[in-house]
Amino acid sequence: GQQVMQIPQYQHVQEGEDFTTYCNSSTTLSNIQWYKQRPGGHPVFLIQLVKSGEVKKQKRLTFQFGEAKKNSSLHITATQTTDVGTYFCAGKTSGTYKYIFGTGTRLKVLA
Amino acid sequence: DGGITQSPKYLFRKEGQNVTLSCEQNLNHDAMYWYRQDPGQGLRLIYYSQIVNDFQKGDIAEGYSVSREKKESFPLTVTSAQKNPTAFYLCASSPTGDYGYTFGSGTRLTVV
Repeated sequence: GQQVMQIPQYQHVQEGEDFTTYCNSSTTLSNIQWYKQRPGGHPVFLIQLVKSGEVKKQKRLTFQFGEAKKNSSLHITATQTTDVGTYFCAGKTSGTYKYIFGTGTRLKVLA
Repeated sequence: DGGITQSPKYLFRKEGQNVTLSCEQNLNHDAMYWYRQDPGQGLRLIYYSQIVNDFQKGDIAEGYSVSREKKESFPLTVTSAQKNPTAFYLCASSPTGDYGYTFGSGTRLTVV
């Protein structure tokens, strides 16, 4: 069945450093979403990417969808302590209704 | 304010008991979902419903049951057949089509 993997599983960075998490699917996706879950909280939708090679930015966050639509990345520039949490990607294939969530990357930012 | 309400926030269950987790939304979303999250893990889909009176099994439906009698409500029952029910349960909803999910604040279920 479809699998979505994320790397790394954990990442500790100093405040001000950059951070990137990568999402890889075993199958071609129709679109991909990204979520953030703060410690003890629930996932919050960040963005959706649909087109091959698409790049979207939200302030210090840059999201990219691969040309083959099988991978995606989230890059945070100059991390802040408010960026702490687990970042999940969720991918969907054509003809299905459900999204498969990745394993998540837990980010810790050291002040 | 529109949103999803899950209750209770914490639930303790004795072995052999069935328990029902509540999920209510006032976002007028057609689709609703139940996910299970284990410590340090991703989200695994239990059940989902695209429309009232219809629902489909997700990847880990064994030991769980749902109903969708109203658009606003999608309760999840964790039955005694679920061998390892201790987990964080998240309910979500979305409009029909490719939209982001809105999640509730979750229910932490512990078997004692």
